[in-house]
Parts: sequence; C-alpha cells; structure tokens
Amino acid sequence: GESVGLHLPTLSVQEGDNSIINCAYSNSASDYFIWYKQESGKGPQFIIDIRSNMDKRQGQRVTVLLNKTVKHLSLQIAATQPGDSAVYFCAENPPGYSTLTFGKGTMLLVSP
Amino acid sequence: DSGVTQTPKHLITATGQRVTLRCSPRSGDLSVYWYQQSLDQGLQFLIQYYNGEERAKGNILERFSAQQFPDLHSELNLSSLELGDSALYFCASSVHPTGNTEAFFGQGTRLTVV
Repeated sequence: GESVGLHLPTLSVQEGDNSIINCAYSNSASDYFIWYKQESGKGPQFIIDIRSNMDKRQGQRVTVLLNKTVKHLSLQIAATQPGDSAVYFCAENPPGYSTLTFGKGTMLLVSP
Repeated sequence: DSGVTQTPKHLITATGQRVTLRCSPRSGDLSVYWYQQSLDQGLQFLIQYYNGEERAKGNILERFSAQQFPDLHSELNLSSLELGDSALYFCASSVHPTGNTEAFFGQGTRLTVV
C-alpha cells in the first residue's frame, strides 16, 4: 500500500530495542488520550489509551506516559519487532469536543 | 479486522464529478466519524453523526456532505471534485458520542481525482 508518512519524523531502531515515540499535545484541558498505529495501506488501529487522572498505563509490550505539566505524551514499545514498523499517531479529546484531534504522526522503522 | 467496513476501497474519478463513499460501523456503535488523510495534513476530522443526527463538524468543505441512515450506515458525498480532494477517507465508529472512548477505523477509501 502507499505510505501516508513520507514527510513525517522518523524513528529507526533495531529489532529487540525499546522504542520511545513522543507527542506534544495542544490542549492542557484535554482529558483523554489515545495512541493509534497505522500500517501502510490500512486504517489506524488502537494501541492504548489513557485518561488525564493517570500518568502511566501499561498494555502488552506498550506503555503510555502522560506528563500534563508539559503537555507531553509518550509511547514506549518494548522489544520492538519488524511488525511494529508503522506510523504512530497520538490523539487527544479536548473538552467540549466529541471527537479526537490527531497529531501529525511518527514513522517507526524497525530493522531486523 | 476493526468491524468497520468502507466501500469502495479505491475510487478514481475526474475533476468536477461527484462520488459517494460508504461506511458500515461496528455492530452496536451509534457514532460515526469521517476523516480525511492527505500526505501533508495528517488525519483531519470532517464530520460526526450519532444515531442519525449530525453531532459535530470539522474542516468539511461545503462541497462535501454526509448522512447517517436509520440502519446506522453512513455515506459521505463529495461533489465538484478537485485535484486537491485526492486523499484517503476514513470512517470510524464508537459506541459513545463523546469522543473520549476508543474509535475503530475502517480500512479507508483511496480517492484519486484526475
């Protein structure tokens, strides 16, 4: 499929490394945050979410950290695999909005 | 498989034409969102419907319109197409209308305007 991230920030890692993808969100009052993974030619796929009353949440091989002081979100992927290669988007739900606002995305490239 | 179905997968049409994109949400989801994704703009929210009613509008052009039918499927109509309308169009669905829960995305429709 055609890539959607030709001009995105890119993180290149080796298989087995831990990856950290960062995101700066825009609205300090946003109370819900979510990470999506988008593989080439496919729709965004849910990875993990976190609400503003938490600063850390763990899933399978993934951890999301929320720093409300500096409006920063990060996604940590443990033992990165070639199948993790994709574009990763963070999104926030600002107060009064019934939708998600997406960041620009980061491309993760995993080398065997 | 997210459970959200979009048709067609690919569409090639000429400038000035009109097309209709279709979305079937996940079973039980009442809220449908439409997004446009282009290389230089990322995922841009267009419009949201909840249980047949328009709930929120984003950066949707006047040439574009949408609706949600009683069976909850939704259609996005794009008219007077321009070259710049070429993009991926995604539909997403969720149970709640509030935006603070997970939304499930379809595989998208790739529109090419020539």
